[in-house]
Amino acid sequence: EPEVTQTPSHQVTQMGQEVILRCVPISNHLYFYWYRQILGQKVEFLVSFYNNEISEKSEIFDDQFSVERPDGSNFTLKIRSTKLEDSAMYFCASTLGDNQPQHFGDGTRLSIL
Amino acid sequence: SQQGEEDPQALSIQEGENATMNCSYKTSINNLQWYRQNSGRGLVHLILIRSNEREKHSGRLRVTLDTSKKSSSLLITASRAADTASYFCATEPTGANNLFFGTGTRLTVIP
Repeated sequence: EPEVTQTPSHQVTQMGQEVILRCVPISNHLYFYWYRQILGQKVEFLVSFYNNEISEKSEIFDDQFSVERPDGSNFTLKIRSTKLEDSAMYFCASTLGDNQPQHFGDGTRLSIL
Repeated sequence: SQQGEEDPQALSIQEGENATMNCSYKTSINNLQWYRQNSGRGLVHLILIRSNEREKHSGRLRVTLDTSKKSSSLLITASRAADTASYFCATEPTGANNLFFGTGTRLTVIP
C-alpha cells in the first residue's frame, strides 16, 4: 500500500540553525500538509499546500517557516532560524482531495539544542 | 476552538473486551477521522466518517457520528494486546481541509 515517507527520522540541530524536513507524499495525492506534535501535546496543524501554493496556514506558521514542492515528488518544510520551542515531532500528510482520508508519515523528531 | 476532545483520557481493559472511546467537537464539520498512534510513532489512519453518515464499520472497528450532539465514538471489539496505543479523533471543519486533533485516549489492553 502506498505510504507517505519522511526523512530524516531524527534531526538534531543547534538553535539558530536552518533545518529542512523532507517528505514524499503518496504519488497521486493533490493536497499536502505539515503538522507538529510537541511532546505530550496535541497534534497541531501548520500548513496545507495545493496546486503549488499554500492554501491554509495556522498562527504557528510564521515567517520562520516555509514550504516548497521542488519537484514532482518531494515536499519540504524549512525552518529558517530554529528556536528551542521548535523541538517537536513533525508530520507530513497527504490526501487525494476534499473529504478524503489524510495519510501521515512516520514523522521527523526535531531536537533543538 | 474547533479541536475535539476525547474521553476517557486513559482506558485499561482485558484482552477480548470491547473498548469505547468518545470524541466531542465544537464546529460544523466535513468529516471526522480516527487515528491510532503507537508510542513515538506515526499516525495511522483508521476510519473516516462524513458528516452525512451516522455509522461506519471496518473490521473490528465501529464508528458513529452524531452531528446534532457534535460527538463521535470509536468501538474496538474483541480487543487484542496489539491494540494498545493512543487513539485520536480529528475533525475537518466545514470550508477547510486541514484537521484539528483531540487530546487522545491512551488504550491499554492487558493480555
